[in-house]
Amino acid sequence: EPEVTQTPSHQVTQMGQEVILRCVPISNHLYFYWYRQILGQKVEFLVSFYNNEISEKSEIFDDQFSVERPDGSNFTLKIRSTKLEDSAMYFCASSEGSPNQPQHFGDGTRLSIL
Amino acid sequence: QKEVEQDPGPLSVPEGAIVSLNCTYSNSAFQYFMWYRQYSRKGPELLMYTYSSGNKEDGRFTAQVDKSSKYISLFIRDSQPSDSATYLCAMSGPGNQGGKLIFGQGTELSVKP
Repeated sequence: EPEVTQTPSHQVTQMGQEVILRCVPISNHLYFYWYRQILGQKVEFLVSFYNNEISEKSEIFDDQFSVERPDGSNFTLKIRSTKLEDSAMYFCASSEGSPNQPQHFGDGTRLSIL
Repeated sequence: QKEVEQDPGPLSVPEGAIVSLNCTYSNSAFQYFMWYRQYSRKGPELLMYTYSSGNKEDGRFTAQVDKSSKYISLFIRDSQPSDSATYLCAMSGPGNQGGKLIFGQGTELSVKP
């Protein structure tokens, strides 16, 4: 069964450093998403992306965050200058033909900021 | 009032029991309702996807949506130890061009052999 894959599974970074989280969505999917889950808290929406543009973003997704689809298969989340509070699980998801179709999630990247 | 509320549990049941998991929500515009299962150190895995009100069944799982009460449920019949996980409800509304899902807190379920 097709799946969303994320790398790395765990990233440890010094505060203030840039980090790039990578995702390979399901191949025929057109909509891509990033969510995060701080330990013990809800899964929170960050951003959605379609046709090489951001469709929607949350208040969390400030100027420190950016997303990119650099080629036909990868979808990345960049955090420019990491803060301690960016420590969380980051999940990538994709859906097929519309934003209201089911979203399928990867297993996440655990980001630890020291 | 929180947009989506879900009892975090933990909920412990014996193998073979019927499990009922629930979420309430405040936004009457929600029309798409999902249940995800999340094992430890894994991503959310889609279990059920429902549009608007009504019931949907898939094997041992039944999802119910009652829009008049703003209440959704997931029933698991003949529960198995392998069903032990955290169950997340999620929902989104029409005109939701971005596909943003709003999640509940998640209910931790433990099925004892």
